[in-house]
Amino acid sequence: DAGVTQSPTHLIKTRGQQVTLRCSPKSGHDTVSWYQQALGQGPQFIFQYYEEEERQRGNFPDRFSGHQFPNYSSELNVNALLLGDSALYLCASSVAGGHEQYFGPGTRLTVT
Amino acid sequence: LAKTTQPISMDSYEGQEVNITCSHNNIATNDYITWYQQFPSQGPRFIIQGYKTKVTNEVASLFIPADRKSSTLSLPRVSLSDTAVYYCLVGDAAGRRALTFGSGTRLQVQP
Repeated sequence: DAGVTQSPTHLIKTRGQQVTLRCSPKSGHDTVSWYQQALGQGPQFIFQYYEEEERQRGNFPDRFSGHQFPNYSSELNVNALLLGDSALYLCASSVAGGHEQYFGPGTRLTVT
Repeated sequence: LAKTTQPISMDSYEGQEVNITCSHNNIATNDYITWYQQFPSQGPRFIIQGYKTKVTNEVASLFIPADRKSSTLSLPRVSLSDTAVYYCLVGDAAGRRALTFGSGTRLQVQP
């Protein structure tokens, strides 16, 4: 049973560009959450999707947007990249009634 | 959301028991206490969750006093592979909640 998978593993972008990160949840999970983790910090919640809608959102600007597909996979889009967007982006999946979130290995985004 | 306070770092040696204490003075009645472990360049991994008293699983124990204002994660007989950052989280037990991570405790296990 595959766990949470994310692609790509690493990404280098230039300031002002746009990026799309992808996540496939653990089998049987219908909820996907995205987190941003800066170096030396704990993960910070960006938003959560289930039933193909954004259900919760953290304190992130509108440049951060997402989507969930009918197969429960999800994308995170970031527009107008800033140097401060450089971080590890983590995807976590879960189910209603479950008590934990399963995290993927993350995508390391570097903005130059 | 209840704020948590935990030590920034801890050092230990292989074979020792490690106890990491987390303070959460403003924990709400329906809040659970959850611990995650994170290795470098990997996503956090759920370790254990509890509401009160003691919870034990195959990797750790969680001790919660009656007032629930603190909790202690206990790792028995640590090995080098337990070197990681450990996060204490307080909130709803449901998998659909937004997890609020602090800065965690960086545990370094020496040979």
